[in-house]
Amino acid sequence: DTGVSQNPRHKITKRGQNVTFRCDPISEHNRLYWYRQTLGQGPEFLTYFQNEAQLEKSRLLSDRFSAERPKGSFSTLEIQRTEQGDSAMYLCASSLVPVGDYGYTFGSGTRLTVV
Amino acid sequence: QKEVEQNSGPLSVPEGAIASLNCTYSDRGSQSFFWYRQYSGKSPELIMSIYSNGDKEDGRFTAQLNKASQYVSLLIRDSQPSDSATYLCAVAYTGGFKTIFGAGTRLFVKA
Repeated sequence: DTGVSQNPRHKITKRGQNVTFRCDPISEHNRLYWYRQTLGQGPEFLTYFQNEAQLEKSRLLSDRFSAERPKGSFSTLEIQRTEQGDSAMYLCASSLVPVGDYGYTFGSGTRLTVV
Repeated sequence: QKEVEQNSGPLSVPEGAIASLNCTYSDRGSQSFFWYRQYSGKSPELIMSIYSNGDKEDGRFTAQLNKASQYVSLLIRDSQPSDSATYLCAVAYTGGFKTIFGAGTRLFVKA
């Protein structure tokens, strides 16, 4: 296992289109996190899964955003009716233990550009 | 008031010098503190964690924590051009699931 995998690495889409990103966590990790990072800012928390349950969702995640983690394995993040303000790097991380204890291992991220 | 504050920089130091990066946080309940390094266009990489007051050393890196002052710092000794990156300070609750990040400090090490 080579770590947290995210696909695609880059996505360019027209405003109004829907996009979906995928995250494959480290196989034995039951916790999965999504963050968003814009230029010049640190990562901002979006949502958290423990197994298949979505336990926390940031107010940053508008109704256009939805995340799933079927069967507690990979996760998808979908953005509907994309806006230019959605342009950002979307980061996924996973962990076996609470991240407050050991920190994150992030995937390589998906960079979204909305034109 | 931002929860985690860092000087955005850029901080420029000559090769071989000590780089000092600082961070303050607002939540006194925070228990876990991290430094991540992020190269341009890449994802953050965890380089240091600290949980108790005092210093923690790992190679050329030393993290310092002062909970009374709500202050965390990272010292990089013998700075190398390859250390040029953005350094993100992050705080969390032990046993917690969410980490709060600062905006990062850009470091340039001049050869």
